[in-house]
Amino acid sequence: GIQVEQSPPDLILQEGANSTLRCNFSDSVNNLQWFHQNPWGQLINLFYIPSGTKQNGRLSATTVATERYSLLYISSSQTTDSGVYFCAVDLDFGNEKLTFGTGTRLTIIP
Amino acid sequence: GAGVSQSPRYKVAKRGQDVALRCDPISGHVSLFWYQQALGQGPEFLTYFQNEAQLDKSGLPSDRFFAERPEGSVSTLKIQRTQQEDSAVYLCASSWGLALNVRDTQYFGPGTRLTVL
Repeated sequence: GIQVEQSPPDLILQEGANSTLRCNFSDSVNNLQWFHQNPWGQLINLFYIPSGTKQNGRLSATTVATERYSLLYISSSQTTDSGVYFCAVDLDFGNEKLTFGTGTRLTIIP
Repeated sequence: GAGVSQSPRYKVAKRGQDVALRCDPISGHVSLFWYQQALGQGPEFLTYFQNEAQLDKSGLPSDRFFAERPEGSVSTLKIQRTQQEDSAVYLCASSWGLALNVRDTQYFGPGTRLTVL
């Protein structure tokens, strides 16, 4: 099956810092989503981004489908950004089951 | 509008008991998914419905796991004769489906944390 790897596995930053999270996948994908899982366990949609670049406030994401990777950028980090960030992909046009990456645990220190 | 809701939020079961977990998807969403998330891991796919049809159940770990969505809206995940290894968070997600690009975005519920003693 497809392999989805994220790096770094853990990241500790001071409030206000910027960060880049990476997601590599081993096969062509139909869909890619980025999620933030907050400390209470809720998975929050950040981006639906099978290709190209999107921005939403302090967050932006870029997927280069031909090179099989995606990047999530977080600028001016806040403590509320803490949690685990997952990328997830689906392979099949018509079956949207997601395969999740290994996750990046982000901790923002005040 | 309302998001995906799940109940109960927490469930403690004795080994061997049967449990039923409920998912209310976003109104109008065609696709519904169940995932299992073990502690410290990412969610893993269990099963997928399009309306009332269960199109993929390849992720169900054993025949003790059963899911249904009889009227194409609310879904129930049932686990029979629970075992300790079933302890996990069970997440439900829904989407508009129909393979219409951004309409495939999956929205997740808060999960049910199952602990089997």
